[in-house]
Formats: sequence, structure tokens, C-alpha cells
Amino acid sequence: QMQLQESGPGLVEPSQTLSLTCSVSGGSISNGKFYWGWIRQHPEKGLEWIGYKHYTGTAYHNPSLKSRIDISVDTSNNQFSLRLTSVTAADTAVYYCAAFFHDLTTYSNWFDPWGQGTLVTVSS
Amino acid sequence: DIVMTQSPLSLSVTPGEPAAISCRSSQSLLYKNGYTYLDWYLQKPGQPPQILIYMASNRASGVPDRFSGSGSGTDFTLKISRVEAADVGVYYCMQAVQIPIIFGQGTRLEIK
Repeated sequence: QMQLQESGPGLVEPSQTLSLTCSVSGGSISNGKFYWGWIRQHPEKGLEWIGYKHYTGTAYHNPSLKSRIDISVDTSNNQFSLRLTSVTAADTAVYYCAAFFHDLTTYSNWFDPWGQGTLVTVSS
Repeated sequence: DIVMTQSPLSLSVTPGEPAAISCRSSQSLLYKNGYTYLDWYLQKPGQPPQILIYMASNRASGVPDRFSGSGSGTDFTLKISRVEAADVGVYYCMQAVQIPIIFGQGTRLEIK
């Protein structure tokens, strides 16, 4: 059973770059049926999709964050990463990594599984 | 961007009673391939969201048949036939018909 686990600093200074990594176990990041994504949840708020990327390089980002986002996929280490530049307090949130299953045979898709989430606070 | 609107934002249900959550989108979630891309997720306290329903009406693997999804176009409903204590949490609908993917604001379910 596939599992995802986020890792990275819990505190980032304003204007710096937020960097998180998601380790994938129990499955291959080179599985063509998955896009590897990030979703965040501001404190006591709803869910905001950040973006996702296929191991072949196809990527989709939220336009509201697009110029600040970079998602990379590392097939050698079976992990993927998020970089969010020029952070402000508004980027304080729990960040989830999640696999977006996308089956071109059945045309079905959904986010599963999700990591447990990691709180990132932007503060000096 | 598509706007996703859920109602109610909270509900309190007696165990064994039914519950229903509505989700409306500002644009049709019917894709050109004929499929509707509306999912339902449940976020239990202290946990990440988990998939319940995909493509409006398909239960995800392992989801009890007490949960059902229906709807088309812009109007969708998640129904729980008999609420249990384990169903407590926040329910989100999500559209994946176009980028950006958008979640509804969430509906909090509590037990009376």
C-alpha cells in the first residue's frame, strides 16, 4: 500500500524559500497513473490546491501561486519536492503531499493517498 | 476559476439518522469525455482528507455503502444513510474538471 511522508523545515523566514520533500513508499513514482501533488490548508481553513507534476515532466500549477512554485520529481530517490519562493505570513499552513491518481482507461481520478501533513510557519 | 459552494456549513446529526450535504459549482463539471469530475473527501479530526466518492457517484475502495454521491452538471449531493460516530469531521467537495482544482469550503459534521 502506497504511503507518502512530508519532510522539511517547520519555520521559514519571510521572503525566503519554502522547501518540502515527499517520500513515496510502497509504490513507484514512475507509475504513469499518478501525478504528484501538493495541497495546503491554512489554519482552521479549507483546502487549497498548489499543483502537481507527472514523472514525465507534465505539470500543472495553481495560477494564484504559479510564478512562485516549483514542483520536482526525483525518480532516483522515489520522492518529489515543492519549492515556494518569496514566502509571507500568508503562506503559513499545513502542507500535504498527495498522489493524484489519473487513469486514462477509466477516465477516473482522485487524490489518494495523502501524507499526514506538515505545518510550515512563516515568521522571523 | 470555478467556485464551489457547499451547504450547510455545519450539521449536527443523531446517530442512525441520515445526513445530506449539497455542493454547487459555478460551471458544469461535465468534461468533454462525458465524465463528471466531482469528488467528495472527508477530513477526520487530526487527519489528512480521505477520498469517499469520485466522479460524482463512485464510492472509493473501502468506503461503506452508507455513503452515496449523486448529481450532475452543477448540483451534487453526498448522502449518509445512517450516520455513525466515526463519520465526524469536515466534508469537502472538489472539482477536477479544470485547472485550478478547487475545493468547497467544507461542511462540518458533528454528532448530537
